[in-house]
Amino acid sequence: IQLSQSPSFLSASVGDRVTITCRASQDISSNLAWYQQDRGRPPKLLIYAASTLQSGVPSRFSGRGSGTEFTLTISSLQPEDFATYYCQQVNSYPLTFGQGTRLEI
Amino acid sequence: EEQLVESGGGLIQPGGSLRVSCVASGFTFDFYAMNWVRQAPGKGLEWVSSITGSGSGTYYSDSVKGRFTISRDISKNTLYLQMNSLRAEDTAIYYCARRGNYKGGSFDIWGQGTRVAVAS
Repeated sequence: IQLSQSPSFLSASVGDRVTITCRASQDISSNLAWYQQDRGRPPKLLIYAASTLQSGVPSRFSGRGSGTEFTLTISSLQPEDFATYYCQQVNSYPLTFGQGTRLEI
Repeated sequence: EEQLVESGGGLIQPGGSLRVSCVASGFTFDFYAMNWVRQAPGKGLEWVSSITGSGSGTYYSDSVKGRFTISRDISKNTLYLQMNSLRAEDTAIYYCARRGNYKGGSFDIWGQGTRVAVAS
């Protein structure tokens, strides 16, 4: 199953609302996760099952979608949100990640 | 605190072998499936391999199938990745990650990673 994220790069400002899209090459139900990765750090789980916020993740992050189209929205960007974001399908092996979206100031 | 700590990375010549390890602490190791994910320099995340909690089931990406072997020692709370016939394209940071129960199959705990460089 291939995942295509868009955009690959996103330039935004503190306080902006941004949305990242992840499209799957086939139906994966709600078996999708979102991760945030700061440079030089391991990924951090943000959202699982397409829309469930991981414990401790700020409520400005939200996820939607099912089937083949999913979105990650950050409602009001904070300085610590400028990072790279990845989607991952956990529906079937081989597990796959999207190519990433780099969010820059 | 639930934690994963990788070790064993290093510089290895093409065609060589290396085993990386991941020690788990703070949770019941055999309750969880475990995974290896790698990230080549400047690139995205690539799933490499998974193993079930009991160790009876293993899965591999096509890029490593037949060369890498995932295993776990429950008595030592340790996950392993034996890497043989290494290639330059295997150069990456190797992360171990826990597949969270009741987390939709997502990877909820990650180690800091161990660097593997394949070069002559």
